[in-house]
Amino acid sequence: NAGVTQTPKFQVLKTGQSMTLQCAQDMNHEYMSWYRQDPGMGLRLIHYSVGAGITDQGEVPNGYNVSRSTTEDFPLRLLSAAPSQTSVYFCASSYSPNRGAKNIQYFGAGTRLSVL
Amino acid sequence: GENVEQHPSTLSVQEGDSAVIKCTYSDSASNYFPWYKQELGKGPQLIIDIRSNVGEKKDQRIAVTLNKTAKHFSLHITETQPEDSAVYFCAAPDTGRRALTFGSGTRLQVQP
Repeated sequence: NAGVTQTPKFQVLKTGQSMTLQCAQDMNHEYMSWYRQDPGMGLRLIHYSVGAGITDQGEVPNGYNVSRSTTEDFPLRLLSAAPSQTSVYFCASSYSPNRGAKNIQYFGAGTRLSVL
Repeated sequence: GENVEQHPSTLSVQEGDSAVIKCTYSDSASNYFPWYKQELGKGPQLIIDIRSNVGEKKDQRIAVTLNKTAKHFSLHITETQPEDSAVYFCAAPDTGRRALTFGSGTRLQVQP
């Protein structure tokens, strides 16, 4: 198993450009999510999905779109990049989306994004 | 939603000493508390977790304690080694979003 695979590893964008961060998992996990990591702020949830065709907003969803057409893939789209979106982005997946239940999340290696 | 606070933000210890990282949470209904370790250039990885029906759990040199009354839980690393140097995150369930809410992270540096 490759686990959770994120591409690209690094990306530099100009303000206003759009791009898609790719995330794929081969563990047949129902639950997938996107986080951003900023210094001193931990991991903040952007969007998540509890299964194919179902997505919902996290703590910081503005400026990002997601879709979940298959169990394996969960791409994150930046519609019009802004310097405030400079961050490290992590995709994660897990077996259990149940409320409050044990929810071991498996993370990808991250995408480091700079918006100039 | 859940609010998780983590302290300290940085921690430096000598090799062989113990390290303790503390977290508090706000939602009294939370019942699962994992700890993740993030090495440089990698994604976070689960190292230990605890359910609310136990007060302490150990796995070799690491242990987690939970005080549900006070709503805090802690990570203890004994006999620290240079390979323990990393960023550690605590987390608690955000039951409203079926997700985890993470603390702000602790950068642990173990000096040889």
